[in-house]
Amino acid sequence: QVQLQESGPGLVKASETLSLTCAVSGYSIRSEYYWGWIRQPPGKGLEWIGTISHSGTTYFNPSLESRVTMAVDTSKNQFSLMMRSVTAADTAVYFCARRTVGATIFDYWGQGILVTVSS
Amino acid sequence: DIQMTQSPSSLSASVGDRVTITCRASQSMSTFLNWYQQKPGKAPKVLIYAASSLQSRVPSRFSGSGSGTDFTLTISSLQPEDFATYYCQQSHSPPFTFGPGTRVDMK
Repeated sequence: QVQLQESGPGLVKASETLSLTCAVSGYSIRSEYYWGWIRQPPGKGLEWIGTISHSGTTYFNPSLESRVTMAVDTSKNQFSLMMRSVTAADTAVYFCARRTVGATIFDYWGQGILVTVSS
Repeated sequence: DIQMTQSPSSLSASVGDRVTITCRASQSMSTFLNWYQQKPGKAPKVLIYAASSLQSRVPSRFSGSGSGTDFTLTISSLQPEDFATYYCQQSHSPPFTFGPGTRVDMK
């Protein structure tokens, strides 16, 4: 069974860098799928942040592209998100998810991790 | 970017009711539309993909229809476990935007 688990600090200071990791189990990250991050501010809707392939090809939301980096570590079967220069507006639950190649479905999700940006 | 809207933003219904949620895209996108269910404190779960295809292990009371700019999610007979928020998501082109959500609660 495919499982994803986010990890990282739950509190980040404004202007610093948010770093999260998503560990994947039950499926090899080297296989033909994409891996992505989606966030949800408290009480609000979902926002797609970006996607990375097993080979490292990335696609980002243009609204965040200048501050976001993603990477894949196939040796650990995990992928990561880094978001620079965070503000209070970046406070959200961050989900990692697997994305199918054809229909762009986010079919498996992590439980989510709340990241609060403090001033 | 493709903008997504949903209506209604919330609705109250009873067990056994037929529920219909509408999603509209700002531009035509064939059937590149998915539906998700999210319960409080949980990750979203995909119900319908490609506008009308039922995801594996999703009950058949859920169905989707539409193409172009207008899409519908229907729950034929609402069950207690269906009280949740529903989101549409366009998969036509990045950024893969979500609708604002429709909250279904108990009447």
